[in-house]
Amino acid sequence: EAGVAQSPRYKIIEKRQSVAFWCNPISGHATLYWYQQILGQGPKLLIQFQNNGVVDDSQLPKDRFSAERLKGVDSTLKIQPAKLEDSAVYLCASSSSVVVSEKLFFGSGTQLSVL
Amino acid sequence: EDQVTQSPEALRLQEGESSSLNCSYTVSGLRGLFWYRQDPGKGPEFLFTLYSAGEEKEKERLKATLTKKESFLHITAPKPEDSATYLCAGNFGNEKLTFGTGTRLTIIP
Repeated sequence: EAGVAQSPRYKIIEKRQSVAFWCNPISGHATLYWYQQILGQGPKLLIQFQNNGVVDDSQLPKDRFSAERLKGVDSTLKIQPAKLEDSAVYLCASSSSVVVSEKLFFGSGTQLSVL
Repeated sequence: EDQVTQSPEALRLQEGESSSLNCSYTVSGLRGLFWYRQDPGKGPEFLFTLYSAGEEKEKERLKATLTKKESFLHITAPKPEDSATYLCAGNFGNEKLTFGTGTRLTIIP
């Protein structure tokens, strides 16, 4: 089965610029997550979708971050404007379960460097 | 706030030298304790879920155990391909995974 696809793999921008990341989850997976992983830390949940509805966005910095999941499939995460502290790997994960299940399937992530 | 603490931060072992990684958590309604493996440049890959104290799960050279306060990931006779960062995460009843910072394991041939 095809895994979670993310693009781009790497992105370098200057502070105050905008950037967008794309995620295509495993086919049929209803739940999609975006995580932020800063170097040397564990992943931190930014937002969780079930189909195309938001389940949890309590840790999403809404003044600069936005995310959408149109038609309950692909998702995009946007940062505008970016700050230096946004430098991190942005991981997308999907699950067939509507609750935290045994398996989250992660993509390889997008490594963002903000200069 | 629910927290997950992993130790050590880094561990270097000779090939074949068995050891254990530790994951301790605040006792606050743990609904599941998860172990993931993360290779450089990749996303985490699921290994195990443990739900109750005393539970054990095994996969090849890895065995995960759970007590009321902590979980251990035991690695027996490791090989160089076991080198990775091992992450633990807890579900504390809010259907979110709280990850630790990981243990970076290096197996020297």
